[in-house]
Amino acid sequence: GESVGLHLPTLSVQEGDNSIINCAYSNSASDYFIWYKQESGKGPQFIIDIRSNMDKRQGQRVTVLLNKTVKHLSLQIAATQPGDSAVYFCAENISHGNKLVFGAGTILRVKS
Amino acid sequence: GAGVSQSPSNKVTEKGKDVELRCDPISGHTALYWYRQSLGQGLEFLIYFQGNSAPDKSGLPSDRFSAERTGGSVSTLTIQRTQQEDSAVYLCASSFGRFQETQYFGPGTRLLVL
Repeated sequence: GESVGLHLPTLSVQEGDNSIINCAYSNSASDYFIWYKQESGKGPQFIIDIRSNMDKRQGQRVTVLLNKTVKHLSLQIAATQPGDSAVYFCAENISHGNKLVFGAGTILRVKS
Repeated sequence: GAGVSQSPSNKVTEKGKDVELRCDPISGHTALYWYRQSLGQGLEFLIYFQGNSAPDKSGLPSDRFSAERTGGSVSTLTIQRTQQEDSAVYLCASSFGRFQETQYFGPGTRLLVL
């Protein structure tokens, strides 16, 4: 999950469609994962988290899937709304530490 | 309840000057974190406090960067002799301090070094 610089991947979806944002993490020792949403000019906002003893967790309109075999995390947003437009970051926490390691982020654009 | 607050929200300074950035964590949160976000990039960990001590300073990029926390609450991040590459958004987060739990972020301080 190293930064790729200014050119973040972008996902454009139609309002009402489902969105899937993907994240590959690098450290097999990571056992706690969080998705954050960041709107322009604001700090990251917690969306949902998952621990490594689970492979799926659901929240309100959001679902996180964890595949430890291939070190992949995804965030599914149901019935995407214009207010969902933001940059989405996955973050991983390594079992022996407290700091979060963030992925580069994905821009979600919702078309009305 | 108030969230994490940071001040100033924006800071413009000249190269070579020192700056101080302040973070007020959520009341009752014993853990406090500083991260840096450069334009269009992800967040980079700087330092972590548990109470007033900093068990992990591994992300501080140089000895020009320092941070302290007093009274288990407010934290100050100081950048001495600022350089243009220090321009970024500096984000603070806090949590209850138990192992592996959600970190809640403040709005950030946008620093521009001219």
